[in-house]
Amino acid sequence: GGIITQTPKFLIGQEGQKLTLKCQQNFNHDTMYWYRQDSGKGLRLIYYSITENDLQKGDLSEGYDASREKKSSFSLTVTSAQKNEMAVFLCASSIGQGNTEVFFGKGTRLTVV
Amino acid sequence: QQNVQQSPESLIVPEGARTSLNCTFSDSASQYFWWYRQHSGKAPKALMSIFSNGEKEEGRFTIHLNKASLHFSLHIRDSQPSDSALYLCAVLNYGGSGNKLIFGTGTLLSVKP
Repeated sequence: GGIITQTPKFLIGQEGQKLTLKCQQNFNHDTMYWYRQDSGKGLRLIYYSITENDLQKGDLSEGYDASREKKSSFSLTVTSAQKNEMAVFLCASSIGQGNTEVFFGKGTRLTVV
Repeated sequence: QQNVQQSPESLIVPEGARTSLNCTFSDSASQYFWWYRQHSGKAPKALMSIFSNGEKEEGRFTIHLNKASLHFSLHIRDSQPSDSALYLCAVLNYGGSGNKLIFGTGTLLSVKP
């Protein structure tokens, strides 16, 4: 089995600050995703990538950048942190593109002060 | 743009009850349909998937899919306190720039002993 590691687990930033969240997977999966989950709610897709150096925007991409420089890693940057985006950010990966199970990391909880 | 909605938003049932969770989607071209479960403080994990109209049963869980009515559901037989979790439906959209897995708004299930 594999694992998805997200760092850091908790991230506290100042309003307006640029913040980067990192994700590593050792499944050797092609597709990786970043989702945002507000407290107890559903997941909203921010960015996804179907292969190394590929980036596709989700429905919530405004205010975020992403980078997939290696197959195993996918990072997300909050370009200017806002207080209303305190949430848990979940990284995920899958062999296929949604027709196979998506595996999730444990998340990074972002707090903006 | 795919819109995935779940109902009810939350649900409390007694142990042993039959529980029904609903998911509606807006894109009739959607291909794969998933249910994920997220226990409190944990990562979401896939429960079941279906891709053709009809019913699929795995243990106490059954999925029904009706593409014409843009609806699928999850039924839990003999609900257990360990089934208490956030249930997320997800729909796969095929696209030219890659396939997107869009999640619903979530149903919080609580099973009381």
